[in-house]
Amino acid sequence: DAKTTQPPSMDCAEGRAANLPCNHSTISGNEYVYWYRQIHSQGPQYIIHGLKNNETNEMASLIITEDRKSSTLILPHATLRDTAVYYCIVLSYGQNFVFGPGTRLSVLP
Amino acid sequence: DTGVSQDPRHKITKRGQNVTFRCDPISEHNRLYWYRQTLGQGPEFLTYFQNEAQLEKSRLLSDRFSAERPKGSFSTLEIQRTEQGDSAMYLCASRYGERERDEQYFGPGTRLTVT
Repeated sequence: DAKTTQPPSMDCAEGRAANLPCNHSTISGNEYVYWYRQIHSQGPQYIIHGLKNNETNEMASLIITEDRKSSTLILPHATLRDTAVYYCIVLSYGQNFVFGPGTRLSVLP
Repeated sequence: DTGVSQDPRHKITKRGQNVTFRCDPISEHNRLYWYRQTLGQGPEFLTYFQNEAQLEKSRLLSDRFSAERPKGSFSTLEIQRTEQGDSAMYLCASRYGERERDEQYFGPGTRLTVT
């Protein structure tokens, strides 16, 4: 079973920030938080991952709470092309990815 | 394009036929993964290879499924005596595998339809 809980769907207006939450209350100290997204009929695409500290790259920012029990993926200026299913995954080295159903983000014009 | 390629992209077959899919990972990646994804669900892990060795298999991988990675480069996934329940997207991913924080890169998938 997935170790994460995400809302099944969210809407966001084009140009606004999309904030996607993920709960991982049973995360252990050596487990990373990964985010992937899957655009319709394509393979999942890596977005970002982190352990404790907040992370930022050209695609998104990852904010992890101090107790590490939840995180938020932020797409700063959502575009229509960001419409996808977003998966939050928690795992440690040597484990295999367990995908839950994810959050279906719809970016609206 | 992640650099992971899969062939074919689509396959339609009749129940009872055998099918084989191919995955070409990113060349320097020594770990290769297979997943299955049905409509509305996230990908489910099937098996993975470290170089040519198959190190783990999910209980989803029935006896009709076999995967190989003979030279530690490309991999094949064969399904024998296909059933309608095998209809799904089959995804391949690769990973460098030597560092704790390495991510997996997924291919575009092979969509199988069993009629």
